[in-house]
Amino acid sequence: EVQLVESGGALVQPGGSLRLSCAASGFTVGDYWMTWVRQAPGEGLEWVANISPDGNVKYYVDSVKGRFTISRDNAKNSLLLQMNSLRADDTAIYYCGRWGGNTWLDYWGQGTLVTVSS
Amino acid sequence: QSALTQPRSVSGSPGQSVTISCTGTSSDVGGYNYVSWYQQHPGKVPKVVIYDVNKRPSGVPDRFSGSKSGNTASLTISGLQAEDEADYYCCSYAVTSYVFGTGTKVTAL
Repeated sequence: EVQLVESGGALVQPGGSLRLSCAASGFTVGDYWMTWVRQAPGEGLEWVANISPDGNVKYYVDSVKGRFTISRDNAKNSLLLQMNSLRADDTAIYYCGRWGGNTWLDYWGQGTLVTVSS
Repeated sequence: QSALTQPRSVSGSPGQSVTISCTGTSSDVGGYNYVSWYQQHPGKVPKVVIYDVNKRPSGVPDRFSGSKSGNTASLTISGLQAEDEADYYCCSYAVTSYVFGTGTKVTAL
C-alpha cells in the first residue's frame, strides 16, 4: 500500500528555517516525480516545488525560489523540503505528493502545519 | 504562475448536474491536455477525481466527467449527491510548473 507521511512542521519565527520530511512506503520515490503543495489556512491549494526521478531537475513556484530547496533521501526513501528565510505568508499545511503519470497527483500525505509568526 | 480562475461557488439540487469551469491561458490549460481535478472535503486531504482532462481514476463514480475547450477546462457532476459537497480544484501542467485553480465550493441544496 502506498503511503506518504510528512513531518517537521512547527511554529517558527520570521526569517527562520525549517526542514520538512515525507516518508514514503509502498513505492520508491526515485521512480517518480514528487512534489510539495501547500494550503494556507482557509485558502486554496498552491503548488510549491517538483523534483524529477533522478533528482537532477527541480522546479519551484516563483515565491519560494532562492529560499526553498526540494531534495530526496534515497536511503530513507523520503522527500525533503528545506525552507529558509521563512515569511508569514509561508504559513500553511504542506502536503507531499506523488505525480502519477507525471500529470496528476495520485497520492497525497496527510500534511504538516508550518506556522511562521513572532 | 497566476492561479487558474474558477467560480467561487456552485450549487444544485440532489440529482441535478453542476459544472465547474477552470480558465487559464495558452501556456497552461490551453497548451496541454494535462488538467486534473481534486475534491477536498473539510479537514481532509485532496483526492483526484479527473486527470488528463477527461480520464477517471478507478473507484471514482462515473457521474464525474471532464472536458476542455480552448483555455477553459470543465468538471461536470451529473446527478449531484450529498457526499459530493466539497471544494474542487483544477490543476494544470505548465512545463516547468504546475498551477492550481482558485477553488470552487459545491453545495447540494
